[in-house]
Amino acid sequence: QVQLQESGPGLVKPSETLSLTCTVSGGSISSYYWTWIRQFPGKGLEWIGYIYSSGSTNYNPSLKSRVTISVDTSKNQFSLKLTSVTAADTAVYYCAGAWISRLDYWGQGTLVTVSS
Amino acid sequence: QSALTQPPSASGSPGQSVTISCTGTSSDVGGYNYVSWYQQHPGKAPKLMIYEVSKRPSGVPDRFSGSKSGSTASLTVSGLQAEDEADYYCSSYAGSNNGVVFGGGTKLTVL
Repeated sequence: QVQLQESGPGLVKPSETLSLTCTVSGGSISSYYWTWIRQFPGKGLEWIGYIYSSGSTNYNPSLKSRVTISVDTSKNQFSLKLTSVTAADTAVYYCAGAWISRLDYWGQGTLVTVSS
Repeated sequence: QSALTQPPSASGSPGQSVTISCTGTSSDVGGYNYVSWYQQHPGKAPKLMIYEVSKRPSGVPDRFSGSKSGSTASLTVSGLQAEDEADYYCSSYAGSNNGVVFGGGTKLTVL
């Protein structure tokens, strides 16, 4: 059974870069679309983007200028970087294993607060 | 403002059936058979319940079913049980340029 675990700082200052890593266990990272999703305090979910094991990416158009998703197959990890954060980026961030839009496996989520 | 529209709440008594709608456009729900539904209990990650409109992953009870008509997808929960009380979210593939879009979520209450 594939398991995912997010890690990274829980507090980021405004204008800085949010960086999170997702470690995949119980399966190979050499398949699936490795995806980041966030959930705002008001509950809404937002798809951030994904990276395929080949390295190809697809990002939410509204975040595209600020987002980078990368993969390290040697460590079975993939990562999220979101630049120039504001309070509006405060959310629970989930990593997930997907087949295109079907989100099969989810991490437990990590709360990231943007505040000075 | 979510891309897909869901009712904020739904309810039913144990044993009853309830249907939750998810309305999009021809660019997402209406254009692809890639609608998924997720169940989320408080403090937990969402769980895939339905994919590709009407398919159930292994382990999901057959009380959960999905359908689609035009640009509106629906999730039906039959034989409601107390443990079905949760938030439910729909999502749809929206093309290579837009990726995946979500509904705003529906809180299902078992009376």
